[in-house]
Amino acid sequence: EDQVTQSPEALRLQEGESSSLNCSYTVSGLRGLFWYRQDPGKGPEFLFTLYSAGEEKEKERLKATLTKKESFLHITAPKPEDSATYLCAVQRGSQGNLIFGKGTKLSVKP
Amino acid sequence: SAVISQKPSRDICQRGTSLTIQCQVDSQVTMMFWYRQQPGQSLTLIATANQGSEATYESGFVIDKFPISRPNLTFSTLTVSNMSPEDSSIYLCSVGGVGTGTAGGYTFGSGTRLTVV
Repeated sequence: EDQVTQSPEALRLQEGESSSLNCSYTVSGLRGLFWYRQDPGKGPEFLFTLYSAGEEKEKERLKATLTKKESFLHITAPKPEDSATYLCAVQRGSQGNLIFGKGTKLSVKP
Repeated sequence: SAVISQKPSRDICQRGTSLTIQCQVDSQVTMMFWYRQQPGQSLTLIATANQGSEATYESGFVIDKFPISRPNLTFSTLTVSNMSPEDSSIYLCSVGGVGTGTAGGYTFGSGTRLTVV
């Protein structure tokens, strides 16, 4: 069964304290892995797409990496405005839709 | 990237009634999806809205409960029928495919927060 597991469920950081979020997956025929940010009361905001093991993408303080079994979202020197829920999702080769993990709720304190 | 307008943004409804949610996209898109996000949970796909044909529903979701229309490549509606408190969720429209500007990813609407009392 295709599955996406994110850890930790919640993460509290001090401003400037770097850390990583994990997304492990089991899926038949991975077509792509996606990271989204979701703020309360809003829809998910697209961050990155990763297609193959070894691929990396960066955007400001965020860096996403991908292996054959998991993906990491590294947050370097986070700021309070990075506080949000970060969602990981996978797309199967034969399907158009995404399968989401439950997310990691990140809180960054000043 | 594609811009999605989803209406209403929130509603409080009586049990037994129905609510229709609209999703308007500013460009023609191939794929359009409807998701549900229950409190404290992640997103679950309800159905894929197909232009010119019936929607394709995921296991656990049926057309009588969640009828979907997609009359063209820029618009779709999802109706939540005969509502019960268990239908209280956030409902999200999503689009993907060529021209959506998300490097193969999917764009989401801002969601409809539904509370059934």
